[in-house]
Amino acid sequence: GENVEQHPSTLSVQEGDSAVIKCTYSDSASNYFPWYKQELGKRPQLIIDIRSNVGEKKDQRIAVTLNKTAKHFSLHITETQPEDSAVYFCAARTGNEKLTFGTGTRLTIIP
Amino acid sequence: NAGVMQNPRHLVRRRGQEARLRCSPMKGHSHVYWYRQLPEEGLKFMVYLQKENIIDESGMPKERFSAEFPKEGPSILRIQQVVRGDSAAYFCASSPLQGVDGYTFGSGTRLTVV
Repeated sequence: GENVEQHPSTLSVQEGDSAVIKCTYSDSASNYFPWYKQELGKRPQLIIDIRSNVGEKKDQRIAVTLNKTAKHFSLHITETQPEDSAVYFCAARTGNEKLTFGTGTRLTIIP
Repeated sequence: NAGVMQNPRHLVRRRGQEARLRCSPMKGHSHVYWYRQLPEEGLKFMVYLQKENIIDESGMPKERFSAEFPKEGPSILRIQQVVRGDSAAYFCASSPLQGVDGYTFGSGTRLTVV
């Protein structure tokens, strides 16, 4: 089955700087890669996603890049703000609709 | 649209009791997915159901766990004879069709086994 690895497990950045979180996946048939943000005690919320036929997608301060050949994808957050502090999860989906999640990155924005 | 509704939000059970977790999908959604999140860990797939059918239960423990999504009413995740290791947050998500991206999670049920 699919295996998703996520790095780093924790990340601290100064407010206003950029943050990058990286994931790799194992199943070349995976076709959809969402990113979720989870605040303490709350549900995971979809923040951005990308399909396998696209190399990059951007939404305001958030962008995701996908390298199908290398089987890795990354989340980029620019101009970080305190409210960006949360745990971020990447995921990959293969044909049967099941999402396989990475182990999460705890992002802390230092004011 | 009320979104994906899960109840109860918090559930405390003694070891050996049964836990029933309910998930009402978004209106018009016929596909439900259950995930488990252990403390400080990621989300692990448990089961994928359509109305009256289990499509993929590859993530469900073989014993004590069962799930259903009847024609009428919410999806139910049932855990029999709970043990301390079952303490976790259980999230469900729904989608209207197969192949639709980015499904939405409910608020979760936090199960504590004492």
